[in-house]
Amino acid sequence: NAGVTQTPKFRILKIGQSMTLQCAQDMNHNYMYWYRQDPGMGLKLIYYSVGAGITDKGEVPNGYNVSRSTTEDFPLRLELAAPSQTSVYFCASIDSTGGAGANVLTFGAGSRLTVL
Amino acid sequence: DQQVKQNSPSLSVQEGRISILNCDYTNSMFDYFLWYKKYPAEGPTFLISISSIKDKNEDGRFTVFLNKSAKHLSLHIVPSQPGDSAVYFCAAKRSNAGGTSYGKLTFGQGTILTVHP
Repeated sequence: NAGVTQTPKFRILKIGQSMTLQCAQDMNHNYMYWYRQDPGMGLKLIYYSVGAGITDKGEVPNGYNVSRSTTEDFPLRLELAAPSQTSVYFCASIDSTGGAGANVLTFGAGSRLTVL
Repeated sequence: DQQVKQNSPSLSVQEGRISILNCDYTNSMFDYFLWYKKYPAEGPTFLISISSIKDKNEDGRFTVFLNKSAKHLSLHIVPSQPGDSAVYFCAAKRSNAGGTSYGKLTFGQGTILTVHP
């Protein structure tokens, strides 16, 4: 099992450009999440999904869009990139079937994005 | 409004000694608390958790203590090892019927732990 896989690992964007961060998980988890981590700060929730076709906003959704067409994939789209979106982005998933695992996020390795 | 705070940005400990990482929270609706460990260039990995109905949870060298009245939790690592050197994040989940709060965590800023040989 690969767990949660994120691509790309690094990317530099110019202001106003768009891009998609890819996330895939092979654990058959229904719930998936996108968090961002700014330097010296904790992770903040951008968007989440509780299943294919269902997405909802987290704490900091502005400037981002998501879609969830399959259980495995949860891409994050940045439209009109701004310097404030320079951050490390983490995708995560959870086993929502209950028990102790229902609260434990499994994270990908992260995607470091710089907007210049 | 930072609902979960880790007031110590860094902690340095000698190998074999105890490491104590602290976390304070303000929201009384939090019902589950987790500690994550993060190495450079990797994603956070789950370490240990505690439900709000308990005051202690132990897993090997790691113990988490919860003081609900003080809205404070701490992570004890005994004995500390050089491989424990990492950033430690405290995280909390709000109570929510139906399970829709799963995975929607509020994180602290993290504490960098360095364990010296």
